[in-house]
Amino acid sequence: DAMVIQNPRYQVTQFGKPVTLSCSQTLNHNVMYWYQQKSSQAPKLLFHYYDKDFNNEADTPDNFQSRRPNTSFCFLDIRSPGLGDAAMYLCATSSGTSANNEQFFGPGTRLTVL
Amino acid sequence: AQSVTQLGSHVSVSEGALVLLRCNYSSSVPPYLFWYVQYPNQGLQLLLKYTTGATLVKGINGFEAEFKKSETSFHLTKPSAHMSDAAEYFCAVSGFNDYKLSFGAGTTVTVRA
Repeated sequence: DAMVIQNPRYQVTQFGKPVTLSCSQTLNHNVMYWYQQKSSQAPKLLFHYYDKDFNNEADTPDNFQSRRPNTSFCFLDIRSPGLGDAAMYLCATSSGTSANNEQFFGPGTRLTVL
Repeated sequence: AQSVTQLGSHVSVSEGALVLLRCNYSSSVPPYLFWYVQYPNQGLQLLLKYTTGATLVKGINGFEAEFKKSETSFHLTKPSAHMSDAAEYFCAVSGFNDYKLSFGAGTTVTVRA
């Protein structure tokens, strides 16, 4: 089945220790998104890639970076995690950037910061 | 700009009873409207969406929603709740050429046996 895969499902890191979250997709979609979802809150878009074009949301902290080495993979790097970065991180993909293009979500990575 | 308000952060229903989740939106352009479901420790799954055309939209798992422009609402219903419907539900809005989904705060549904 075509799908969006996120690894690891659970990640524990220490305050200030860089961490990388991984997302891969078998849908061959052009667009990949990263969302942050804090406990009992709505998902918040951090950034997205359209092919190799990176699009950062205006209020995404500089601490968050992303890489997309190829169509299938996208990484979220948190350079110096703080306690406030503990959250579920959701990756999503779509074939285009209009509202008609459904976003398909992965199962998420739950990040704990000690 | 678009935004969504979900009325009620928690809804508890008996198995077999009607499920009604309320969503009101604000949009400066004709909206595209979505309902997503999120099971514990899972990603979001699209239940249904309204783009254009018929205002009553049927989705997966027996859910449906009606777009009412005059009321700026897109409420989600299911006639008979099942235990497996226990989850969090998010309403979202975007414009046609806008990739960005604006989510509501979510409504947690619990189903009593």
